[in-house]
Amino acid sequence: QVQLQESGPGLVKPSETLSLTCAVSGHSVSSNYQWGWIRQPPGKGLEWIGNFHRSDNIYYNPSLKSRVTISIDTSKNQFSLKLTSVTAADTAVYYCARRPNCGGGSCHPFDYWGQGALVTVSS
Amino acid sequence: EIVMTQSPATLSVSPGEGATLSCRASQTIYNNLAWFQHKPGQAPRLLISGASTRASGVPARFNGSGSGTEFTLTISSLQSEDFAVYYCQQYNSWPLTFGGGIKVEIK
Repeated sequence: QVQLQESGPGLVKPSETLSLTCAVSGHSVSSNYQWGWIRQPPGKGLEWIGNFHRSDNIYYNPSLKSRVTISIDTSKNQFSLKLTSVTAADTAVYYCARRPNCGGGSCHPFDYWGQGALVTVSS
Repeated sequence: EIVMTQSPATLSVSPGEGATLSCRASQTIYNNLAWFQHKPGQAPRLLISGASTRASGVPARFNGSGSGTEFTLTISSLQSEDFAVYYCQQYNSWPLTFGGGIKVEIK
């Protein structure tokens, strides 16, 4: 059974860096899957942040690209999100998720998600 | 960027009735569309991929249809556990984008 679990500080000060980790169990992050982050601000819909497959196969939302870094730690079977220079607008529930890689002419959506982690940006 | 538009924003339905949720893409996404069910405090749940293929374990009362730019999720005979927010998402091209969501509430 694939499980993803987000962890990290629930409170971040404005202008600082938001850091979250997603621990994966039941599946290897080294496999042929993409690992992504999605967020949901309070009272709003879902916003895709970015996906990581290999170091040469990383995609970020253009609206966040200048501030976002997603990386993978295969030794710990987890992946991470860093978002720099945060403001109150970055307050959201952050989800990590798995997406099967495209292949054979077809692509796929996220199939497993974590429960989400609320991060509040406030001084 | 492909913009996904969902309608209506809220759907009030009595248990046992059916519901039809719409999703429109600003340009063709072929059948690269997913539907997710999201309840408060829970992880979003994949219901439909490829516009019409139910994910494992999804009840047969959930049916997806459409291609190109117009898509529909039909829920027949709503059960109590079906009241939630439903999102469509396109995965045809980067950036991945979601619709604004449709809240299905008890009438």
